Amino acid sequence: NAGVTQTPKFQVLKTGQSMTLQCAQDMNHNSMYWYRQDPGMGLRLIYYSASEGTTDKGEVPNGYNVSRLNKREFSLRLESAAPSQTSVYFCASSEVGGAEYEQYFGPGTRLTVT
Amino acid sequence: AQKITQTQPGMFVQEKEAVTLDCTYDTSDPSYGLFWYKQPSSGEMIFLIYQGSYDQQNATEGRYSLNFQKARKSANLVISASQLGDSAMYFCAMREGYTGGFKTIFGAGTRLFVKA
Repeated sequence: NAGVTQTPKFQVLKTGQSMTLQCAQDMNHNSMYWYRQDPGMGLRLIYYSASEGTTDKGEVPNGYNVSRLNKREFSLRLESAAPSQTSVYFCASSEVGGAEYEQYFGPGTRLTVT
Repeated sequence: AQKITQTQPGMFVQEKEAVTLDCTYDTSDPSYGLFWYKQPSSGEMIFLIYQGSYDQQNATEGRYSLNFQKARKSANLVISASQLGDSAMYFCAMREGYTGGFKTIFGAGTRLFVKA
């Protein structure tokens, strides 16, 4: 089992460019999440998908869109990148969304916007 | 208001000694879960331990234990017999069962340095 995989691992964008971060999990989990981690801060939730076919905003959704392509895959799109979106992005999954279910994280994507 | 507070930006511990990393939380939801994650310098997030709000006993996982004091709303992580490989960032997190939806709220983290 690979767990949660993310591509790419690193990316540099110019302001205004667009890109899609890919995430896939092989644990048959229903719920998937996108977080960002800025220096000196904990992770903040961008968007989540409670189950296949649904997506909802998290704490910091502005400037992002998501697609739950199928049960395995959940992508994050930056339509017009800004320097404020320079961050490390983590995808995560959990069996369901209850309080007792731990989240499994991917290795992260380090994004720099110049 | 901060829902998860980790007041120790950095901690030092001697190898083989025990260390406690503090975490306090704020919620009015009667059902919640508390988690600790480790983030080594390589960047991945590693789940360590979980405590449910209804659990009567403190959670333990190997060298990790969670000192859960519900009335004080604290969920401190205790690492026994520290090893050099324990040097990392540690995050406390909470999920609220009824009011939080699917959100996990993270604290700002504590960086632990283990000295040889």
